[in-house]
Amino acid sequence: KAGVTQTPRYLIKTRGQQVTLSCSPISGHRSVSWYQQTPGQGLQFLFEYFSETQRNKGNFPGRFSGRQFSNSRSEMNVSTLELGDSALYLCASSLELTGDDTQYFGPGTRLTVL
Amino acid sequence: GEDVEQSLFLSVREGDSSVINCTYTDSSSTYLYWYKQEPGAGLQLLTYIFSNMDMKQDQRLTVLLNKKDKHLSLRIADTQTGDSAIYFCAERRYNQGGKLIFGQGTELSVKP
Repeated sequence: KAGVTQTPRYLIKTRGQQVTLSCSPISGHRSVSWYQQTPGQGLQFLFEYFSETQRNKGNFPGRFSGRQFSNSRSEMNVSTLELGDSALYLCASSLELTGDDTQYFGPGTRLTVL
Repeated sequence: GEDVEQSLFLSVREGDSSVINCTYTDSSSTYLYWYKQEPGAGLQLLTYIFSNMDMKQDQRLTVLLNKKDKHLSLRIADTQTGDSAIYFCAERRYNQGGKLIFGQGTELSVKP
């Protein structure tokens, strides 16, 4: 079974631009969570989607948003990029069907904001 | 508090055992995870333990849980150079919607 895939793997943007990152969960997984990883703040939870609905949200500004499609694929969007948004963005999926909520991570998208 | 705490660095010789420590904060029933991150890669799930267990063994990996002290450890037996990576412990916070709270990560360096 294929793992979690994320596209693109690398992105370079400039301040003020917006960006969309994509995540395809493991087949059959219904929950998708997003995390931001930076050297200073470590791994921080952004949000979680389940059945196309945002189920949980971390402490990030409204510039960070996401959505989930009916096939469980998810996208996250960051508008009006700031230098501090440079980070590795990780997506994780979990099955949720039999109470198994173990999260499996993708390789991440490395975003650099210049 | 919010924090999951880990020591930042550990250096061992090839063939020795490595023990990576973590303290967590949630006193309710929860799952605790160990993930491995190699340079430029995402997080690889290594193992996990439910908070009503004391120990879990999986090949070279042994997880020990001290519920009273909220202390979790990961022991890697016969450590190899390929084990060099950053290891994260994570706590599942069911009273915060189920999000994972991660430690800062322990960088394991294995010297030949």
